[in-house]
Amino acid sequence: AQSVTQLGSHVSVSEGALVLLRCNYSSSVPPYLFWYVQYPNQGLQLLLKYTTGATLVKGINGFEAEFKKSETSFHLTKPSAHMSDAAEYFCAVSGGSSASKIIFGSGTRLSIRP
Amino acid sequence: DVKVTQSSRYLVKRTGEKVFLECVQDMDHENMFWYRQDPGLGLRLIYFSYDVKMKEKGDIPEGYSVSREKKERFSLILESASTNQTSMYLCASSFWGTLNTEAFFGQGTRLTVV
Repeated sequence: AQSVTQLGSHVSVSEGALVLLRCNYSSSVPPYLFWYVQYPNQGLQLLLKYTTGATLVKGINGFEAEFKKSETSFHLTKPSAHMSDAAEYFCAVSGGSSASKIIFGSGTRLSIRP
Repeated sequence: DVKVTQSSRYLVKRTGEKVFLECVQDMDHENMFWYRQDPGLGLRLIYFSYDVKMKEKGDIPEGYSVSREKKERFSLILESASTNQTSMYLCASSFWGTLNTEAFFGQGTRLTVV
């Protein structure tokens, strides 16, 4: 079984500051990990994903995340926040097989201060 | 581009009505999902289907059923709608594969039960 915990339901940073959104997962099999973003009144869009191979993955809009198996973490970072990054972010995990459920965390709302 | 289309953006139904939410995807994906999104709770999986006529319960299946008679279509059924089923419903689909298992989402259906 898989589960995801996102620490912090709301994160606020200043424009230009580092963005760090935390995600810890639990999985009984090697996981596939995802970050999605949801802008107001829109559907979810994939930011990045980890399946196998390189543990540091880069996504769209300057975001990246690092898979750390020993810490069961997949934190999302961006070096310099932009006003357009304000949105809700969801971490998700699947079991990595063809017919696997995708389980989401409770989400983190990111606010950007001018 | 993958397209996942949900039949309605907004629905208002009365308590006790039978409600059908329809979802169609055009990418020949094997997996299809129904999630419910509520503030502070993230996305919770209602049902998952990995093939035609195949389904698995998610985390919150009570009060819901599903139908998948054709590969491209996945329907969520509320047998007798209740006010606690007022929510945003999101449909998603994904490919059977080891490297491309991310889910693609529809725009959502906001259901209000009165």
